[in-house]
Amino acid sequence: GESVGLHLPTLSVQEGDNSIINCAYSNSASDYFIWYKQESGKGPQFIIDIRSNMDKRQGQRVTVLLNKTVKHLSLQIAATQPGDSAVYFCAETQNSGYSTLTFGKGTMLLVSP
Amino acid sequence: KAGVTQTPRYLIKTRGQQVTLSCSPISGHRSVSWYQQTPGQGLQFLFEYFSETQRNKGNFPGRFSGRQFSNSRSEMNVSTLELGDSALYLCASSPGLAGGPGRGEQFFGPGTRLTVL
Repeated sequence: GESVGLHLPTLSVQEGDNSIINCAYSNSASDYFIWYKQESGKGPQFIIDIRSNMDKRQGQRVTVLLNKTVKHLSLQIAATQPGDSAVYFCAETQNSGYSTLTFGKGTMLLVSP
Repeated sequence: KAGVTQTPRYLIKTRGQQVTLSCSPISGHRSVSWYQQTPGQGLQFLFEYFSETQRNKGNFPGRFSGRQFSNSRSEMNVSTLELGDSALYLCASSPGLAGGPGRGEQFFGPGTRLTVL
């Protein structure tokens, strides 16, 4: 079946670096994408979302890029901090109807001080 | 607003037993979704309930079932537990309205860690 996947299982960066987490999706009908952050012992927490009529969206220190041509999402975190260490998931869905979220496998981000 | 709450937080059962997990969504949210999270399979969708009706179902055996009450609280049940059912079970709530802004945004609870021995 169609699914969402991630290229890198673990990403290690130094504090202050910019981090980029990538995600590939395969369902061409998906039109709404979300990035979640999951810290140890907690449930996933919403970070930022983007609709398919956009190719870029910025939040506080985070930017999501969407390339529909190659079905690729990325999450950029500026000036990464130790508190950003977590597992990051991308998820896809269709904004119309009542479809559910399909999650990628997740990428572990490790930030060293 | 209080967040999504799940009880119990930790549970240990033996094979063959059954278990019931509970989820209280954010006040005003009518949709509750359940997910199973394991290291090998990641986050997998179990089912979604909206206004006491199952609206979507994932690819899990019939041993996994759920229900939603009139106050939007939800329970999921797993019967005849297997070792492979050991996982973090996450509940997420959302307003549940189709096509609205932020419709896909779900708010997750902390999960119930189920260990099957």
